[in-house]
Amino acid sequence: EPEVTQTPSHQVTQMGQEVILRCVPISNHLYFYWYRQILGQKVEFLVSFYNNEISEKSEIFDDQFSVERPDGSNFTLKIRSTKLEDSAMYFCASREGMNTEAFFGQGTRLTVV
Amino acid sequence: GENVEQHPSTLSVQEGDSAVIKCTYSDSASNYFPWYKQELGKRPQLIIDIRSNVGEKKDQRIAVTLNKTAKHFSLHITETQPEDSAVYFCAAPRKGGGNKLTFGTGTQLKVEL
Repeated sequence: EPEVTQTPSHQVTQMGQEVILRCVPISNHLYFYWYRQILGQKVEFLVSFYNNEISEKSEIFDDQFSVERPDGSNFTLKIRSTKLEDSAMYFCASREGMNTEAFFGQGTRLTVV
Repeated sequence: GENVEQHPSTLSVQEGDSAVIKCTYSDSASNYFPWYKQELGKRPQLIIDIRSNVGEKKDQRIAVTLNKTAKHFSLHITETQPEDSAVYFCAAPRKGGGNKLTFGTGTQLKVEL
């Protein structure tokens, strides 16, 4: 069964450093998302990406965040200057179309120290 | 934007009993309602979804009901088993943009022996 894959599974970084979280969505999917989940809390929307551009972003997704789809398979989330409060599990998700199942990757646990 | 409320936040049942989790949404244009199960440290996984053209959908021990007039939908698990213990999230889409899913706050279900 096809699945969304994310790397790394765990990233520890110093405050102020840049991190890039990587995702490979399912190949025939058209919609891509990043969500984050602070420990013990709900899954929060960060950004959606469709047709090679951001289609929507939340208030969490400020100027420190950016996304890219550099080739036909990868979808990355960059945080330019990490803060302690960026520590969370980051999930990538993809969907084939509107109102279809969103498949989640296994997540990247980001720890900012 | 979409506001999704979920109740209860925690639910404890005896093995074999039924569990019901309820969600309400605000966007009357929403037409796709998934339920995700998240085990500790793992990704959210779709367990059942319903579209607005039906009022109920069942898959073995799991069912979802939808009341579009009242703007609420519920997850029903019958004959609960210990492996049903997890956090359950409802979600609803918001039209436009990337058709993002807005998640409820989650329900910690504990099935006791």
